[in-house]
Amino acid sequence: GESVGLHLPTLSVQEGDNSIINCAYSNSASDYFIWYKQESGKGPQFIIDIRSNMDKRQGQRVTVLLNKTVKHLSLQIAATQPGDSAVYFCAENRLPDSWGKLQFGAGTQVVVTP
Amino acid sequence: DAGITQSPRHKVTETGTPVTLRCHQTENHRYMYWYRQDPGHGLRLIHYSYGVKDTDKGEVSDGYSVSRSKTEDFLLTLESATSSQTSVYFCAISERKGVSGNTIYFGEGSWLTVV
Repeated sequence: GESVGLHLPTLSVQEGDNSIINCAYSNSASDYFIWYKQESGKGPQFIIDIRSNMDKRQGQRVTVLLNKTVKHLSLQIAATQPGDSAVYFCAENRLPDSWGKLQFGAGTQVVVTP
Repeated sequence: DAGITQSPRHKVTETGTPVTLRCHQTENHRYMYWYRQDPGHGLRLIHYSYGVKDTDKGEVSDGYSVSRSKTEDFLLTLESATSSQTSVYFCAISERKGVSGNTIYFGEGSWLTVV
C-alpha cells in the first residue's frame, strides 16, 4: 500500500490503556500476515503472525484479528507500556509461491504517554 | 536476536562507486532477502534467494545485483551507486515456507548514504 512517509499516522495512547492498530491489506490472495514493531534505528521486530484460516490469534499482551471479508487486520496491545512506543507495520504474504516476499503497510507510529 | 549480522552498518559513499552490503546468518536458514526502507515507500523487496546460487529479482531490483555462494551469506551489490540508492537496507531470513511457527526475521539494517 501507499506510505505516507514522514507523516505516519500516529496513535497516542496513555500508559496502561489498550492500543488498537489497524491495517488494510491489498491482496485478496494473501494468506499469511505478520505484525512487526520497529524502534528508531533498528530493524523490524516480529510481534505476531496469523494465517488466513484463522480470524484471531493471541500472544503475550497482543492479539491479532483478521477480517478477510474487508481485507482488514488489527493489532491489539493490552496495558500499553512506554516500551511499546515504536512504529508498527503489518505485512502480507501469499503462500506458498511467494514466501517471504512481503508487502508492507505504511506503518503507524505509536506514542505512549505517561 | 535472529542470528543476522549486516555489514557495514553505516556507510557514506560517492556517486558512481561500487558498494557491497553483506548479510551473514548463523541459523542455516534457506531463504534470504534484501529490502530497502525509504520515507514514502515503506519496506520494499530488492532481491531474494531460495538457496545457494538461487536468486531472483524483487519489486525494486534495478541497479542492484546479489550473490549467494554459501548458505550463510547473501551479498547485495550496487554496481554504480546513485543518490536514489540512499536508503536503509535490511536483510531478512526464513526457514522452510509455510511451516507453522516459521516466519521472516529481519536484521538491524545498513544505513547507506550516496553523496
